[in-house]
Amino acid sequence: NSKVIQTPRYLVKGQGQKAKMRCIPEKGHPVVFWYQQNKNNEFKFLINFQNQEVLQQIDMTEKRFSAECPSNSPCSLEIQSSEAGDSALYLCASSLRLGSYAEQFFGPGTRLTVL
Amino acid sequence: GDSVTQTEGPVTVSESESLIINCTYSATSIAYPNLFWYVRYPGEGLQLLLKVITAGQKGSSRGFEATYNKETTSFHLQKASVQESDSAVYYCALGDRGSNAKLTFGKGTKLSVKS
Repeated sequence: NSKVIQTPRYLVKGQGQKAKMRCIPEKGHPVVFWYQQNKNNEFKFLINFQNQEVLQQIDMTEKRFSAECPSNSPCSLEIQSSEAGDSALYLCASSLRLGSYAEQFFGPGTRLTVL
Repeated sequence: GDSVTQTEGPVTVSESESLIINCTYSATSIAYPNLFWYVRYPGEGLQLLLKVITAGQKGSSRGFEATYNKETTSFHLQKASVQESDSAVYYCALGDRGSNAKLTFGKGTKLSVKS
């Protein structure tokens, strides 16, 4: 069973508000991913890290989303100004190594609702 | 871009019946993707069910099987005899072999097994 911890499990924000969620990867996993699963069950990759370094991020992430994985602290994903379309399940996953053949272990997710 | 299409749910089968969930993929940017089935049991996070990284090979786990068919770009999930405990949402996914390790998921197929 995965030991990726995500907090909070539920987050409710008004439009324009900041929304911040955290992720503690499995111990010893240097690679972290963030995905968004919307109400249509579509997954979207947002960003990934190896240790503290950003490897890849999509354009959407670069504009209103920010993320970091500081040393010895939880990783975080923050939406600067929430929009209704950001309502989704945000999944954090960690992996022992880079490369998609390496299993990604998922947390339970943070469900964001933007009113 | 890359995409995964799978059987639209929900799918309902009776215990001990056979099951097939179809999955086809389009990997426009990846020559030889790695293929995965993930599962989400009620109240739990996504977890890897099985993976295959070589075309023509079969992966198996917990009685489920899937064969990587490069010619038909398919990776159907099968089980000869389902159990009530198999009730879950199943996601087909593909990943890049290279350093870009993100996964591209299908929309999921909800399976309900009747006793």
